[in-house]
Amino acid sequence: QQQVKQSPQSLIVQKGGISIINCAYENTAFDYFPWYQQFPGKGPALLIAIRPDVSEKKEGRFTISFNKSAKQFSLHIMDSQPGDSATYFCAAKGAYNFNKFYFGSGTKLNVKP
Amino acid sequence: DADVTQTPRNRITKTGKRIMLECSQTKGHDRMYWYRQDPGLGLRLIYYSFDVKDINKGEISDGYSVSRQAQAKFSLSLESAIPNQTALYFCATSQTHRDRDRSTDTQYFGPGTRLTVL
Repeated sequence: QQQVKQSPQSLIVQKGGISIINCAYENTAFDYFPWYQQFPGKGPALLIAIRPDVSEKKEGRFTISFNKSAKQFSLHIMDSQPGDSATYFCAAKGAYNFNKFYFGSGTKLNVKP
Repeated sequence: DADVTQTPRNRITKTGKRIMLECSQTKGHDRMYWYRQDPGLGLRLIYYSFDVKDINKGEISDGYSVSRQAQAKFSLSLESAIPNQTALYFCATSQTHRDRDRSTDTQYFGPGTRLTVL
């Protein structure tokens, strides 16, 4: 059973547009939600992360929106640039028995010039 | 991330062969992980180790084994490789937060090993 469901699988956005990637989870024991960015030929790297005690976190053009009651969180990339073209993974992690990462299936973003 | 290295970077092998993928880290982290990445499936956890004497199975451990030779080294072995083990394999590390109940540790990934089993 997939612990974290991610959509869409792929996304094409024009330069300057907004990219939105969504994730949903079921396990209320999760309390840390990072997003990872992966460029071709490289390993994933942490982009931004949020804990459920806040509903939004912004770092530059990247924003996580978090809806605890709906058990959903999303990544928004404002003013998308061709250099943002990469695969994005959401993830979730909890404490105790769930103290390891569960990743979504990934979204391949292509930002067209 | 140069702090986490994986060898080899690419490997082609035949069905039935035993192979080992190696991971080394200079970050001084206590936790190490092995993942495989397949298109449309994301990253799936194979094994993880929270310290040298602690090894745990992940979601998809069948057909794999691991060895934590030292805090800095974590190896993944395929005992008898099969074609559906063709994938991209990543090693990752993280550090236990000083408050062991917290879960905000960041994972640092190596560059990956592309494995093809013919």
